[in-house]
Amino acid sequence: KAGVTQTPRYLIKTRGQQVTLSCSPISGHRSVSWYQQTPGQGLQFLFEYFSETQRNKGNFPGRFSGRQFSNSRSEMNVSTLELGDSALYLCASSNNPGTGADNEQFFGPGTRLTVL
Amino acid sequence: GDSVTQMEGPVTLSEEAFLTINCTYTATGYPSLFWYVQYPGEGLQLLLKATKADDKGSNKGFEATYRKETTSFHLEKGSVQVSDSAVYFCALGARGGGNKLTFGTGTQLKVEL
Repeated sequence: KAGVTQTPRYLIKTRGQQVTLSCSPISGHRSVSWYQQTPGQGLQFLFEYFSETQRNKGNFPGRFSGRQFSNSRSEMNVSTLELGDSALYLCASSNNPGTGADNEQFFGPGTRLTVL
Repeated sequence: GDSVTQMEGPVTLSEEAFLTINCTYTATGYPSLFWYVQYPGEGLQLLLKATKADDKGSNKGFEATYRKETTSFHLEKGSVQVSDSAVYFCALGARGGGNKLTFGTGTQLKVEL
């Protein structure tokens, strides 16, 4: 079974631009979550989508948004990029509905975003 | 809110040494607990998990026991190898709260010959 894939793997943008990152979950997984990883803040939860609906949202400004398609693929968008948005963005998928005790996530390799 | 505290790194050990990485948590209710590992340039891989009190998760020689009384989930390995060098993250998932994970800051482990 193929793992979680993320595209692109590396991205360089300048301040003020916007960017779209893509995530394809493991086949059959309906939950997709996004995390931002930085040296200063560590791993922080951005949002989770389940069956095309945003179910959870972290404490990030509205410049960060996402969506999920009917095939469970997800995209996240960051508008008006700031230097501080430079980070590794990780996508994770799960086949758990999230209503029980097991929240196991399977992570992709990440997209490294650099904002200049 | 939920939080995870894990010991600061980096931790440097000689091969075959005993490893302990401490992890404590604060959460409402009874969360699931996880250890993830991240190798250089890669995403996170699940190392082990425990979904209820007194459960012991184990994988590849690593173990951790869910201790509700001390709100802890310490990672241990009896004999580390150079290939264990990586960053280790402790995480919790709130029961019934979707699939959001709350992570600790990570502990970098370096194993030398």
